[in-house]
Amino acid sequence: QQQVKQSPQSLIVQKGGISIINCAYENTAFDYFPWYQQFPGKGPALLIAIRPDVSEKKEGRFTISFNKSAKQFSLHIMDSQPGDSATYFCAASSERTGFQKLVFGTGTRLLVSP
Amino acid sequence: DVKVTQSSRYLVKRTGEKVFLECVQDMDHENMFWYRQDPGLGLRLIYFSYDVKMKEKGDIPEGYSVSREKKERFSLILESASTNQTSMYLCASSSPDRAGYTFGSGTRLTVV
Repeated sequence: QQQVKQSPQSLIVQKGGISIINCAYENTAFDYFPWYQQFPGKGPALLIAIRPDVSEKKEGRFTISFNKSAKQFSLHIMDSQPGDSATYFCAASSERTGFQKLVFGTGTRLLVSP
Repeated sequence: DVKVTQSSRYLVKRTGEKVFLECVQDMDHENMFWYRQDPGLGLRLIYFSYDVKMKEKGDIPEGYSVSREKKERFSLILESASTNQTSMYLCASSSPDRAGYTFGSGTRLTVV
């Protein structure tokens, strides 16, 4: 059973546009929601993360929006650049289960066209 | 800079072989994880360890075992490799302050 559902599977955005990736979760015990960015030949790297006590977190061109009642969160990439082309994973974990065990979404391959 | 190092980038093994994937971290992290990454399936947790000699099964532990004899090293063992274990294997570590995982670059294993 997939605990974090991610969409779309792939996304093509023009340079300067907004990229939006969505995730939905089922486990209400989740209390930490990070996004990871993975370039070809590399492991995923932490991009930005949010906890459910806030509805939005912004770091540069990257913003997480969080809707606790809908159990959804999304990543927005403003002014998308070709260098943002990568695979993005959302994830979730629960402090109650301990050990920081992350459950990942299936990934979104983003291509930003020049 | 914080590092997680996986010993091999590419491996080709034969069906039935015993395979060892090694992972070393230099951050003194307590927690270490092994995931496999497959297209359309994302990252799935195989095993994790929260201390030396301690291990816990993840979501897909069948066909795998792990070893953590030292804090910095976490090994994934395929007891008898099968073709359905062809995948990208990712090791990660983290600390209790929840700064997120640090991943290695991955080992792409092909079982023929």
